[in-house]
Amino acid sequence: DSGVTQTPKHLITATGQRVTLRCSPRSGDLSVYWYQQSLDQGLQFLIQYYNGEERAKGNILERFSAQQFPDLHSELNLSSLELGDSALYFCASSVGDRGIEQYFGPGTRLTVT
Amino acid sequence: AQSVTQPDIHITVSEGASLELRCNYSYGATPYLFWYVQSPGQGLQLLLKYFSGDTLVQGIKGFEAEFKRSQSSFNLRKPSVHWSDAAEYFCAVGARGTGANNLFFGTGTRLTVIP
Repeated sequence: DSGVTQTPKHLITATGQRVTLRCSPRSGDLSVYWYQQSLDQGLQFLIQYYNGEERAKGNILERFSAQQFPDLHSELNLSSLELGDSALYFCASSVGDRGIEQYFGPGTRLTVT
Repeated sequence: AQSVTQPDIHITVSEGASLELRCNYSYGATPYLFWYVQSPGQGLQLLLKYFSGDTLVQGIKGFEAEFKRSQSSFNLRKPSVHWSDAAEYFCAVGARGTGANNLFFGTGTRLTVIP
């Protein structure tokens, strides 16, 4: 157990809908990272938050957004969902903002039908 | 830009046999290097990491990896594989200094262990 928690574990929704994925980092970690794992794209970095502020951005679509709250938990919002958004979404956390050592949560499997 | 290549998509080994999973990276300097393991339906677990110093690093579950600067490689090894090692293994690169804070992952190597 990495200490990073993610909810829900599974999510099934229809195209055009909006969902929110939640992540709680390890105790003491200030950074949260979101990754998407899909069959065709592999593991891709989406976005990083550090102590409430956006720190780095990867291949995140405009339909997706994230935020980190004062208690350091983070939410990834996915809207106008398409079939191709079906994937495993991982959250990771690290102590600092450099991402040197990241610990991953169990992931949320999103299925868009 | 960083990139990671894991040339073997799938490897099958017998239980008790030795294992080597290959990883090559592309980066302008010495990066941070990692190996993660993902069991079916599970998240990613950090096996080991290289930041600096001794180029042979030991990890959990009896795994080790060797950083070879001249070959831009960071291959993962285990002298005797157990059935529970069957999983997907990912090599990852992290950038040093300022710049990207995220990890770049290889495409993974699926390990099958046969009795």
